[in-house]
Amino acid sequence: GAGVSQSPSNKVTEKGKDVELRCDPISGHTALYWYRQSLGQGLEFLIYFQGNSAPDKSGLPSDRFSAERTGGSVSTLTIQRTQQEDSAVYLCASSLALAGSVSYEQYFGPGTRLTVT
Amino acid sequence: GNSVTQMEGPVTLSEEAFLTINCTYTATGYPSLFWYVQYPGEGLQLLLKATKADDKGSNKGFEATYRKETTSFHLEKGSVQVSDSAVYFCALSVMKTSYDKVIFGPGTSLSVIP
Repeated sequence: GAGVSQSPSNKVTEKGKDVELRCDPISGHTALYWYRQSLGQGLEFLIYFQGNSAPDKSGLPSDRFSAERTGGSVSTLTIQRTQQEDSAVYLCASSLALAGSVSYEQYFGPGTRLTVT
Repeated sequence: GNSVTQMEGPVTLSEEAFLTINCTYTATGYPSLFWYVQYPGEGLQLLLKATKADDKGSNKGFEATYRKETTSFHLEKGSVQVSDSAVYFCALSVMKTSYDKVIFGPGTSLSVIP
């Protein structure tokens, strides 16, 4: 079956423009995560979805960042008025929902490389 | 707070050399520990994991043992291959309300030369 897919794979935008990044999770995975990977840095958690709701948005760095998920499937991460410090690789991951104390492996997409000029 | 520290790279080894990538963590409670690998141009994938003290995770010749007394989860492989060239991320997972929040280290780049 298909893995997690993300689009676009690369995006170059001018400072001040808005961008939308898309994530298609693995079919049947109800949990979806967004991370940011900056050059030389580890992965920074941004937001988590369980179905269409986002119980944890604590990682979003500013109110310029927002995300939504519709139909329990595709998710879009939107960055408004982009700044140069937003340049990074944005990774999406999905997993099955938790069952009691069992947690499931997160499957990652290839990422979207965002460059703000 | 919870955090992961791993040795800085890049690490360059000759084929068939022994590999160790150190990882230590700070966490409240009892986290699960992971190693993820990111091959060039690909997404992260789980390499191995351990969910309790003294557990050993293993996969593709790589091993790591959950050491609670030293809060470590060092990655080892006895004989690396060129195809092992990748970035390796140590991570921990702490149950936060209803899901696992995974905290990653900064990654260690490994290059294996023939």
